[in-house]
Amino acid sequence: GAGVSQSPSNKVTEKGKDVELRCDPISGHTALYWYRQSLGQGLEFLIYFQGNSAPDKSGLPSDRFSAERTGGSVSTLTIQRTQQEDSAVYLCASSLVLAGPYEQYFGPGTRLTVT
Amino acid sequence: DAKTTQPNSMESNEEEPVHLPCNHSTISGTDYIHWYRQLPSQGPEYVIHGLTSNVNNRMASLAIAEDRKSSTLILHRATLRDAAVYYCILRDLTGTASKLTFGTGTRLQVTL
Repeated sequence: GAGVSQSPSNKVTEKGKDVELRCDPISGHTALYWYRQSLGQGLEFLIYFQGNSAPDKSGLPSDRFSAERTGGSVSTLTIQRTQQEDSAVYLCASSLVLAGPYEQYFGPGTRLTVT
Repeated sequence: DAKTTQPNSMESNEEEPVHLPCNHSTISGTDYIHWYRQLPSQGPEYVIHGLTSNVNNRMASLAIAEDRKSSTLILHRATLRDAAVYYCILRDLTGTASKLTFGTGTRLQVTL
């Protein structure tokens, strides 16, 4: 079946504008994760969902970042009043269930550039 | 989270085996050892995981030391398409927060 998809693939925005990034997980996967990778940096965990709830928001870098998931499927990561330091590749992953050793399947990412 | 230590980079010739080491001296009894890799301009992809015994799959083999304080990812015949950053990650079996904590990984270069 189809893998994890993300849209848009690239987004250029002006500083101060809001952006929405979308993730479509693999059908039937109950767990969904957001990560980001800044230029030359490692992958940084942002938030995860079990179903529609997000028990762990500790990775969100500031209150300008929020995420939601509806219907246990699609998730949207919103960044308000974007700053240049928000420029990064935002990666979404899904897995069958949250606990246990199940592998995470990653999407291709959204490259966000804040000018 | 228990930490892992990997060499920053390694090189290999095509068609030769590659052994990618990972040290995890503070591993706990409930930590699984996972390996992911990230090809250029792509998201990470799962490679293999294990707990105590050595594991084989179509992509690679995972050799785990008897004391579990280190492990080695083995690519039996490296190809140019295996050039990537390889991440060794520990995940707690019992935890519900199964986020992946990525380190800096090992950048593998494969040459003709």
